Amino acid sequence: GDSVTQMEGPVTLSEEAFLTINCTYTATGYPSLFWYVQYPGEGLQLLLKATKADDKGSNKGFEATYRKETTSFHLEKGSVQVSDSAVYFCALSAGTGGFKTIFGAGTRLFVKA
Amino acid sequence: SQTIHQWPATLVQPVGSPLSLECTVEGTSNPNLYWYRQAAGRGLQLLFYSVGIGQISSEVPQNLSASRPQDRQFILSSKKLLLSDSGFYLCAAGWGAGTDTQYFGPGTRLTVL
Repeated sequence: GDSVTQMEGPVTLSEEAFLTINCTYTATGYPSLFWYVQYPGEGLQLLLKATKADDKGSNKGFEATYRKETTSFHLEKGSVQVSDSAVYFCALSAGTGGFKTIFGAGTRLFVKA
Repeated sequence: SQTIHQWPATLVQPVGSPLSLECTVEGTSNPNLYWYRQAAGRGLQLLFYSVGIGQISSEVPQNLSASRPQDRQFILSSKKLLLSDSGFYLCAAGWGAGTDTQYFGPGTRLTVL
């Protein structure tokens, strides 16, 4: 079945450091790919998404490119801030009529001042 | 815009007691609705989803049940809680064929003692 694998955390960075969180997926068909973010004690919210190969999603300085050849959707940010500390989830949703979104296990990011 | 409401925000219940968590959706009608559980420090586990009134699909056999009495109301229940039911419960809504963004509520923190 479909699955999402993302790097284990926690990831600890200093403010203004470069961030990469790796995400790879296995899916049949042509899924849409997502990054969600969860701040402490809150629900998830969409950070960015891409719906087809080579699309780049971007928001709040974060970027991710849908790479079909490597089945990857790595999240990057050039300069992290303390306020970026959160848990980040990579996810895919089926393009073949399925109603479910498959989430990765989540990666916790700590950013130190 | 789509807003997902959940209540209560926190709940402490004794083992063996019943449970009822409610989720309501503001915005566009005919959402697909989802219940997830997130154990401490873990990823999301899909419990139930619903594509219409009275239509419930269960993903994980357990002592929980779900109901959808109205188009934008989704209820998670249990007749007798177990210690292992403790966790953070998230309701989500999506529209379309499953390839679209999911919108999450703020979550309910359930502690079973």
